[in-house]
Amino acid sequence: EPEVTQTPSHQVTQMGQEVILRCVPISNHLYFYWYRQILGQKVEFLVSFYNNEISEKSEIFDDQFSVERPDGSNFTLKIRSTKLEDSAMYFCASGTGPNTGELFFGEGSRLTVL
Amino acid sequence: GENVEQHPSTLSVQEGDSAVIKCTYSDSASNYFPWYKQELGKGPQLIIDIRSNVGEKKDQRIAVTLNKTAKHFSLHITETQPEDSAVYFCAASKGYSTLTFGKGTMLLVSP
Repeated sequence: EPEVTQTPSHQVTQMGQEVILRCVPISNHLYFYWYRQILGQKVEFLVSFYNNEISEKSEIFDDQFSVERPDGSNFTLKIRSTKLEDSAMYFCASGTGPNTGELFFGEGSRLTVL
Repeated sequence: GENVEQHPSTLSVQEGDSAVIKCTYSDSASNYFPWYKQELGKGPQLIIDIRSNVGEKKDQRIAVTLNKTAKHFSLHITETQPEDSAVYFCAASKGYSTLTFGKGTMLLVSP
């Protein structure tokens, strides 16, 4: 069964450092998303990406965040200068389209900022 | 923007009992309501979804109901089993793209 894969599963970083989280979406999917979940809280939308550009972003997704699809398979989330409050589980998701059904989530990348 | 409220935050049932989780949403334009199950250390996994043109949907032991007028929807799990223990999230969206999640319900099914 096709799945969304994410790396790393866990990353520990110092405050102020740059972090890149990587995702390989399901191969025939065209819509890609990043969500995050702070420990014990709800899953929050960060950004959606289609046709090589951001289609929607939340207030959380400020100038410290960026996304790109550098090649045909990877979809990355970069945090330029991490803050303590960026510590969370980051989930990548992909889907076939905005009107065609479910989002498939990866298992997440846990980011710990010290 | 959309706001989704979910209750209860925890739910403990005995194996074989039914479990009901309720959500309300604020944006009357929302038209897609999925339910996700999240097991420890894993990503959310879709278990059932409903669109606004349908009032109820069933899949074996799981059912979802939607009341558009009242802007609430519920997840019903019958004949619960220990493997149903997980955190369940409801969500709402316009279309299927940006999901707004509820805060989650931790369901514990005791043997």
